[in-house]
Amino acid sequence: DIQMTQSPSSLSASVGDRVIITCRASQGINIWLAWFQQKPGKAPKSLIYATSNLESGVPSKFSGSGFDREFTLTINNLQPEDIATYYCQHYAEYPLAFGGGTKVEIK
Amino acid sequence: EVQLVESGGGLVQPGGSLRLSCAASGFTFSDHYMDWVRQAPGKGLEWIGRSRNRIHNFDTQYAASMRDRFTVSRDNSINSFYLQMDNLKADDTAVYYCARAYYGSGTWPRIDSWGQGTLVTVSS
Repeated sequence: DIQMTQSPSSLSASVGDRVIITCRASQGINIWLAWFQQKPGKAPKSLIYATSNLESGVPSKFSGSGFDREFTLTINNLQPEDIATYYCQHYAEYPLAFGGGTKVEIK
Repeated sequence: EVQLVESGGGLVQPGGSLRLSCAASGFTFSDHYMDWVRQAPGKGLEWIGRSRNRIHNFDTQYAASMRDRFTVSRDNSINSFYLQMDNLKADDTAVYYCARAYYGSGTWPRIDSWGQGTLVTVSS
C-alpha cells in the first residue's frame, strides 16, 4: 500500500506570509494527488486535485505542484480564515490514503 | 448544488452493528463514485471504502483494515449510499463522512464533495 507523509505536522506563520506544505508518497503516484482543508469542527473541503488543479470556487492563493512522489501545497498571503488542518490524499490506486495532516496557525 | 447528508450515527455497544446512510442530491448519483471516510477524535482522515459507478458495475473497494467488518452499498433508485458496520470496537469511535468522488473524462475520480459527517460512539 502507498503511504503518504506530510511535513511539517504543524506550523505557525504570520498574516501575509507564504506557507508551503510538503507531501511525500512512498511510491510513485504520477499526478494523482489531492489536497483538502479542514477548519476546526467542520467537514473537510476539497481544494486541489490532480496535483495542481483548483476545485471550483477555491481562491488562487492556493496552488499545488509536484509529480511522482513529492508534492507541495502553497498558500500565499496567509489570512486568519486560512487557519485549518490541511491533508493530502493519493488516489492513484487502491487503497486510497491520506497524509497525517498539517495544522496551520497564525503567529 | 451537490448535497450529501449523513444519518444513522449514535451510541452503540462494543460488538454491536450500525448502518449509516448518506442521502445524495444535486447530481446524477449513479454516474459517480461514492466514498466513506472517518475521523477519530483529534486524529486525521482515514479512507474506509468506495462504491464505483454504473460504468464499473458499482463494484466496491476497501481499506484492508476495514474489509472484514465494514460493507459499503448503494441504492441508486433513491440516491442513497450506505455503510454497514459490524462487530464495532471502541476505536471505531469517529465522525463518519460520506463523500462524492467525481467521475469525469480525462481524470481519475477524486473526492470533490463532502457531507457534514455523523458521529459514531462505541462504548458500553
